[in-house]
Amino acid sequence: AQKVTQAQTEISVVEKEDVTLDCVYETRDTTYYLFWYKQPPSGELVFLIRRNSFDEQNEISGRYSWNFQKSTSSFNFTITASQVVDSAVYFCALLRTGGFKTIFGAGTRLFVKA
Amino acid sequence: ETGVTQSPTHLIKTRGQQVTLRCSSQSGHNTVSWYQQALGQGPQFIFQYYREEENGRGNFPPRFSGLQFPNYSSELNVNALELDDSALYLCASSLAPGTGDYEQYFGPGTRLTVT
Repeated sequence: AQKVTQAQTEISVVEKEDVTLDCVYETRDTTYYLFWYKQPPSGELVFLIRRNSFDEQNEISGRYSWNFQKSTSSFNFTITASQVVDSAVYFCALLRTGGFKTIFGAGTRLFVKA
Repeated sequence: ETGVTQSPTHLIKTRGQQVTLRCSSQSGHNTVSWYQQALGQGPQFIFQYYREEENGRGNFPPRFSGLQFPNYSSELNVNALELDDSALYLCASSLAPGTGDYEQYFGPGTRLTVT
């Protein structure tokens, strides 16, 4: 069975703080994809990153960075120097290669206070 | 490049009624997936359409059905609405399954309220 767990329901930080959102996944597949999406109050899911299971290189994109560790089945997301505009719900998701069903975690709601 | 669009934005229906939600996929994408997102939860996969056929289905009853048209747009139909069907319905388009590019682009969603 496939499963994505985002243990942090809500996180509240003050602007300019760094924050890490945790994601732990379960799958028996050897090849799969992992994703992070942002859902602002408007409701639309915004794609942030895709990582396949063979690529464990960490990635940095501006203030965003992702740490993929296959050994611990984790795909954590860090926002450096958070800003109020980062306030949203963030979802981690899993898709098996060749599959059609993306499994989403329950999401982590991030509040960034000015 | 045109993004994913959905209509209507909001909808209020009565229990037992039927509803049709519509989605236009992003330019160049021929696969459409539908998700139900209840308040405070992550999206749950309903089904996916590729080449006008259902390509996979989640744990939803048969009263949830869909269509895909030659222009890749799609409809989600829900019959015999129940109160628990109240949710945000999201449509996502992507390239064909098996291409290795599984990035899904989501529309803004349709907020359905069943009273």
